[in-house]
Amino acid sequence: DTAVSQTPKYLVTQMGNDKSIKCEQNLGHDTMYWYKQDSKKFLKIMFSYNNKELIINETVPNRFSPKSPDKAHLNLHINSLELGDSAVYFCASSQMDYLETGELFFGEGSRLTVL
Amino acid sequence: SQQGEEDPQALSIQEGENATMNCSYKTSINNLQWYRQNSGRGLVHLILIRSNEREKHSGRLRVTLDTSKKSSSLLITASRAADTASYFCATDTGRRALTFGSGTRLQVQP
Repeated sequence: DTAVSQTPKYLVTQMGNDKSIKCEQNLGHDTMYWYKQDSKKFLKIMFSYNNKELIINETVPNRFSPKSPDKAHLNLHINSLELGDSAVYFCASSQMDYLETGELFFGEGSRLTVL
Repeated sequence: SQQGEEDPQALSIQEGENATMNCSYKTSINNLQWYRQNSGRGLVHLILIRSNEREKHSGRLRVTLDTSKKSSSLLITASRAADTASYFCATDTGRRALTFGSGTRLQVQP
């Protein structure tokens, strides 16, 4: 069974479109994340949710809107896509322990290409 | 600025040799973790070392942590072609998410 699954794996779209990426984890974790990996492989935190509550919202354009319908799901919706949004987006989950962040479990990534 | 920076950015060795990667960070940490990423795949956790630990082993992996120098190293002994991947350090600074470095690309030649 896949622990953290995200769909779609590949997404090619035109500038200005709106797209969504979905993520689900079956590990029973209470915290989920979205990370963005750029072309130089640098990974940057975008959002984190703990028990459906937004914990971290980095300086991400408000065109990006995360939604956590329950603690097993964290989706990412992107409006008005721009060329600079092209990247690989990773979903991850972990179990928070007294505010210490332990091991993160990552999905396989969603490669977004904006033309 | 990045919390973690790996050194070297790229490393090429022969099978059987040891590979050492270093990570430096800027602020105090709860723990430091190392991850591996194969090409086109997600990151996989390798090892976690807490701020009060100095060394940790897991199979062919050895991690050291020097909090006075704000640095860590990952040693892979007797490397194999299958160890070819990117390796990232990540720090927990209490902000309830990990901050990742820029990674070291390791190539192990058979």
